[in-house]
Amino acid sequence: GQNIDQPTEMTATEGAIVQINCTYQTSGFNGLFWYQQHAGEAPTFLSYNVLDGLEEKGRFSSFLSRSKGYSYLLLKELQMKDSASYLCAVISNTGKLIFGQGTTLQVKP
Amino acid sequence: NAGVMQNPRHLVRRRGQEARLRCSPVKGHSHVYWYRQLPEEGLKFMVYLQKENIIDESGMPKERFSAEFPKEGPSILRIQQVVRGDSAAYFCASSPGVGETQYFGPGTRLLVL
Repeated sequence: GQNIDQPTEMTATEGAIVQINCTYQTSGFNGLFWYQQHAGEAPTFLSYNVLDGLEEKGRFSSFLSRSKGYSYLLLKELQMKDSASYLCAVISNTGKLIFGQGTTLQVKP
Repeated sequence: NAGVMQNPRHLVRRRGQEARLRCSPVKGHSHVYWYRQLPEEGLKFMVYLQKENIIDESGMPKERFSAEFPKEGPSILRIQQVVRGDSAAYFCASSPGVGETQYFGPGTRLLVL
């Protein structure tokens, strides 16, 4: 089966650091993506991990452990504009993306 | 460079009508994917197409839904005899190759009255 779990909601304070976790159990795995989606808009690409370890890109970092079926997205120096949904997705052997439910992050002043 | 384009952005249909959703991929991308997002739910894969071929349609409902990606022109997702449960946001994504990053269009929000 295919199962991707993320917390439904998180709240954090402007300027802080937040970590959004994602666990997955999928029949095929060719990498893990994180997307950001503001309400009413398209998902936008944030990061891609295919090997174990940490990928850093500015204020955003993403980590993958394939043996544990686990990833996290780390957001540093939070800004109000970071309030959005964060989508974890596994890419299958056939190329399709399997998404989790998404984590809605609210950044408060 | 233009990103993925979808039209219309909003579409209202009455039950029983047909809905046609169009997607033009990023220039040079030959792989197109359609996803559906129901209210308060995650994105669900529907179909994956490469020029003139359906590669994976495991997420498509068995009836009323069809998709194509002709040699010339945009990809089309067609929903016949729409029902209220078809109301959702339909997103198209494209990639240059299989397994590569998929870039999403702005979506078509379908409302069935």
